[in-house]
Amino acid sequence: AQTVTQSQPEMSVQEAETVTLSCTYDTSESDYYLFWYKQPPSRQMILVIRQEAYKQQNATENRFSVNFQKAAKSFSLKISDSQLGDAAMYFCAYRIRTSYDKVIFGPGTSLSVIP
Amino acid sequence: GAVVSQHPSRVICKSGTSVKIECRSLDFQATTMFWYRQFPKQSLMLMATSNEGSKATYEQGVEKDKFLINHASLTLSTLTVTSAHPEDSSFYICSARDELGTQYFGPGTRLLVL
Repeated sequence: AQTVTQSQPEMSVQEAETVTLSCTYDTSESDYYLFWYKQPPSRQMILVIRQEAYKQQNATENRFSVNFQKAAKSFSLKISDSQLGDAAMYFCAYRIRTSYDKVIFGPGTSLSVIP
Repeated sequence: GAVVSQHPSRVICKSGTSVKIECRSLDFQATTMFWYRQFPKQSLMLMATSNEGSKATYEQGVEKDKFLINHASLTLSTLTVTSAHPEDSSFYICSARDELGTQYFGPGTRLLVL
C-alpha cells in the first residue's frame, strides 16, 4: 500500500526566515508524481509545487522549492523568506499513475509564521 | 489556474434527511472527479472517484449506498449523503482532474447534521 508520512505535526518559523517541511512516502511504483498542497484557514486546497518522479531536477516555484531524494523516498519542502500568508496546513501528496490518478495525502504539518 | 466550485458552501440539515452537494469544473472538462472527506485538524480522506458516464469507484470502508455519486456530465459531479446522521457531519471537498492530470480542488462544503 502507498503511504505518505509527515513527521512534523506542527512547525513554526520567524517571518523572513527559511523553514523545511519533511515528507517521506512508501511505494513500489516507479512512475508517480509528488505534490505539496497548502490549506489556509479558508480550507481551500492550493497546489504549491509538484515533482515528477522521473525528473532528477528539484522543482522550484518562487520561494518554494523541494528536495526530492527518490532512493530515500523523501520529498521535503523548503519555504524561503517566509511570509505571514504562508501560515497554513501543508500536505504532502503522492499520485499514482493509473487511469484514475488517485492522490494519497499525508497527515499534514501546521505551519505558523511568527511576526 | 482552473476553477472548481462547490455548492452549497455549508448546509445544516436534520437527521434522516438527504443532502446533495454539487461540484463543478467551471473552465475545463473533467472526466474524473474525486470526493474527499476531512475531519477537523486531519488530512483529506478519499471517499470515491467519480468518472463521467460510469459508476463511481469507492474506497474501502465507504458505503456506496450512503454516499451516492453521480457524474452526469464532464463538468458536474454530485455527492448525495442519504439519510444523514450526526456522524456524517464533516467537511466535504471535491477535486476535478484536467486532461493533463492536474487536480484542482473546490472550496469545500461544511455539512452539519443535527
